[in-house]
Amino acid sequence: QITLKESGPTLVKPTQTLTLTCTFSGFSLSTSGVGVGWIRLPPGKALEWLALIYWDDDKRYSPSLRSRLTITKDTSKNQVVLTLTNMDPVDTATYFCARRRGDYGEYFDYWGQGTLVTVSS
Amino acid sequence: DIQMTQSPSSLSASVGDRVIITCRASQSISSYLSWFQHIPGKAPKLLINGASSLRSGVSSRFSGSGSGTDFTLTISSLQPEDFATYHCQQTYRIPLTFGQGTKLEI
Repeated sequence: QITLKESGPTLVKPTQTLTLTCTFSGFSLSTSGVGVGWIRLPPGKALEWLALIYWDDDKRYSPSLRSRLTITKDTSKNQVVLTLTNMDPVDTATYFCARRRGDYGEYFDYWGQGTLVTVSS
Repeated sequence: DIQMTQSPSSLSASVGDRVIITCRASQSISSYLSWFQHIPGKAPKLLINGASSLRSGVSSRFSGSGSGTDFTLTISSLQPEDFATYHCQQTYRIPLTFGQGTKLEI
């Protein structure tokens, strides 16, 4: 059974750095072709892809947020960590992590439930 | 970036109805399109990948079609558990992009 779960603060202040952890089970991030991505859903808006890390430690970022994002993995702990610096109220959103499959395009076949992060002073 | 335009943004329907949701890409993405179902508080669920390939375990009420720039998700006979928000995503090129979502309401 494949599961993913996001964890981190629910409230951050403007200018602070957000650190979110995705803890997963049922697959290994050392398996060829596997990746983990982060996606967010701001209230009333569309899903927005943020970052992706692959089994070989290759990384991809959203161009609009690239300067603020870092994604890393700890294969031994089955975790992926996302940091987003200089948080702003517009970053208020539910943040999801998801497993990436690449056999036909870059798609996400399993998702976590998400964690709501509010940015407010 | 590839822009994804999804319509309608909301839709009212009844149990048993057939509904169609459309998604249009700003450029050709071949068949590199996924459809998700999302119920608030739950994990988004992948329904279809490759524009028309139904995921294992997903009801055959759901079907997808299209290629190039125009795609549709059809739910043949709505059930109570189908009332949710549906999202399309192009899986063709990074940056990955999503449609605005379609909220399906009773």
